[in-house]
Amino acid sequence: DQQVKQNSPSLSVQEGRISILNCDYTNSMFDYFLWYKKYPAEGPTFLISISSIKDKNEDGRFTVFLNKSAKHLSLHIVPSQPGDSAVYFCAASEKGDDKLIFGTGTRLQVFP
Amino acid sequence: DSGVTQTPKHLITATGQRVTLRCSPRSGDLSVYWYQQSLDQGLQFLIQYYNGEERAKGNILERFSAQQFPDLHSELNLSSLELGDSALYFCASSAGTGSGSYNSPLHFGNGTRLTVT
Repeated sequence: DQQVKQNSPSLSVQEGRISILNCDYTNSMFDYFLWYKKYPAEGPTFLISISSIKDKNEDGRFTVFLNKSAKHLSLHIVPSQPGDSAVYFCAASEKGDDKLIFGTGTRLQVFP
Repeated sequence: DSGVTQTPKHLITATGQRVTLRCSPRSGDLSVYWYQQSLDQGLQFLIQYYNGEERAKGNILERFSAQQFPDLHSELNLSSLELGDSALYFCASSAGTGSGSYNSPLHFGNGTRLTVT
């Protein structure tokens, strides 16, 4: 059973525009959510996180929104840059647990 | 550079064989995690160690085992290998205590690509 779902395998966005990556989860015990970025031949790197007590967290061009009632989170990248082209993974952890449960990833391509 | 070192980068072996993957966590991190990424799949959690002790187990096969040594490096042992075990194996470490009381991102190594032929 996939507890964290990223239903869009890929997304293509023009440089300078907004990229919106979506993630849904089913486990109501999740209380910490993260986004990771992965380039080919490298491990995932931490991008941004949000606690369940918040509904928004911003870090530069990256903003994560959390809608607990809908069990949905999204990552907004504004403006998108070609260097943002990578696979983005959504992840979550339960209260009292350190391990992360990952989604299957969304491949973002930012074209000039 | 995440500070997490995994060796080897690539491993090619035959079915039925046994291999050992090695991971050195970031300096100061006591928690080590192993994940498996098969083709077009997300990262599947295998097992977590905290300061030498097993903390959590995920979808790890009985043919697989792991341990964390006193110097905090960890090894993942895969035995009786099958074609379906071909995957990327990632190690991650964190400053977390293993109890979830501290929300700490995981820092990943660059993975070991295992190919079973």
